[in-house]
Amino acid sequence: GAGVSQSPSNKVTEKGKDVELRCDPISGHTALYWYRQRLGQGLEFLIYFQGNSAPDKSGLPSDRFSAERTGESVSTLTIQRTQQEDSAVYLCASSFVLGQGRSGLFFGSGTQLSVL
Amino acid sequence: AQTVTQSQPEMSVQEAETVTLSCTYDTSESDYYLFWYKQPPSRQMILVIRQEAYKQQNATENRFSVNFQKAAKSFSLKISDSQLGDAAMYFCAYRSGGGNMLTFGGGTRLMVKP
Repeated sequence: GAGVSQSPSNKVTEKGKDVELRCDPISGHTALYWYRQRLGQGLEFLIYFQGNSAPDKSGLPSDRFSAERTGESVSTLTIQRTQQEDSAVYLCASSFVLGQGRSGLFFGSGTQLSVL
Repeated sequence: AQTVTQSQPEMSVQEAETVTLSCTYDTSESDYYLFWYKQPPSRQMILVIRQEAYKQQNATENRFSVNFQKAAKSFSLKISDSQLGDAAMYFCAYRSGGGNMLTFGGGTRLMVKP
C-alpha cells in the first residue's frame, strides 16, 4: 500500500480482555516498529522486527505484551488481560533497512486503545 | 542510554511569524541521527527534517530549519512564516548510527494564532 496501515483505528475493551492490533507496513520495508504513546506524552519503544532476525523485544513492558510478524509483511501486537494503564495510542512504523538513519521511519495513524 | 528532552510543553506563535522549538539530548556516541517529527490530530507522525551528526551544516527543508549544536547536544527546530497548518505536536528524536530504534522527547504542542 501507499502508507503504513493500522487497524482498528479505535478499540474499546473491558479490563481483563485480550486485544489484537494489526499493522500493515509499506511494501518492501524490512524493518517494523511498535511504539506506545500515552496521553500527552512521547513515544515509548515496544518492539522491533528486521527481516527474519530475532525481534528486539527490549521495550515490551510486561509478559502480557507480545508481537508477531511473518517475514516482511503484517505484524500483530497482542495485549493479554488488558489493564487500564494499557490505554494509549499504539503506533506502528516501518522503514527500508536496518540502520538506515537517513530515511527515518514512516508511521501509521495508530490504534487508540481504551480499556474500561 | 540516550535521552531526549524537550523543555517546552507548549509554544504559541502568530501566523507568519517565526518560532523555535528546543531539544537537547544526551549521548556518548559520535555517530547518530536527529529528527523532528510533526504529529497533527490525525495521530500520524510526519517526518519534518533530519540531521546527520557528522554533518556540520544545519539541515533545511523549506520553512523548516535546525540549529544543530553538537558540542552542546542541542537540536532546535525553527519554523519560519508559520502557517495555521503547522499547529501540531512536535517531537524531537534520536537514533544511534547502528541502532534500531528512535528515542523520542516528550513533545511540544505548537499553537498558531491567526
